[in-house]
Amino acid sequence: GAVVSQHPSWVICKSGTSVKIECRSLDFQATTMFWYRQFPKQSLMLMATSNEGSKATYEQGVEKDKFLINHASLTLSTLTVTSAHPEDSSFYICSAYRGPDTQYFGPGTRLTVL
Amino acid sequence: GNSVTQMEGPVTLSEEAFLTINCTYTATGYPSLFWYVQYPGEGLQLLLKATKADDKGSNKGFEATYRKETTSFHLEKGSVQVSDSAVYFCALSDRSNFGNEKLTFGTGTRLTIIP
Repeated sequence: GAVVSQHPSWVICKSGTSVKIECRSLDFQATTMFWYRQFPKQSLMLMATSNEGSKATYEQGVEKDKFLINHASLTLSTLTVTSAHPEDSSFYICSAYRGPDTQYFGPGTRLTVL
Repeated sequence: GNSVTQMEGPVTLSEEAFLTINCTYTATGYPSLFWYVQYPGEGLQLLLKATKADDKGSNKGFEATYRKETTSFHLEKGSVQVSDSAVYFCALSDRSNFGNEKLTFGTGTRLTIIP
């Protein structure tokens, strides 16, 4: 299957700082990428849909000013957690949409906010 | 809205045992159904899928049948191996927005196979 990478795989930051997570589709162009959040022993929750060249669409309850998404090219979407706090600590996963019923997932980024 | 209810884990089985992980869903319309697997340290991988009622998805010895009448998509394998140890997620796709399909996931079931 296709390869989607995420960077970094693990990040620790101080409360109040911002953290950027990159999601890259390595072998196909993705006009749509999705960002998920996964809490320990819980399901993946869709945060937002990232569309190349346009604004992201956020799910209900997700703060768009806190979780900034930029889909600057057909192979790269970034998620910036602004002014991070301990409650933002989580596992963030992206996926790249390739076609009907076909998404490829990145390995995830673990964020720990101290 | 859409939702997926998945069998709670963790599940521990001996090698060569029969596996069933239950999954039921609630959805408007006619979703596609998926099982994803997450091996330790790796991203989610599609295990199998079914796009319409009575379809059977299969891969690596795993099977699941799309049952519209019972809104279920149970995962089965006749003889599990140690290498099947992973977390399994049932999911459905909202196909009402073509080209921008959102996935709704179950909570995941951690499976451990002991030799």
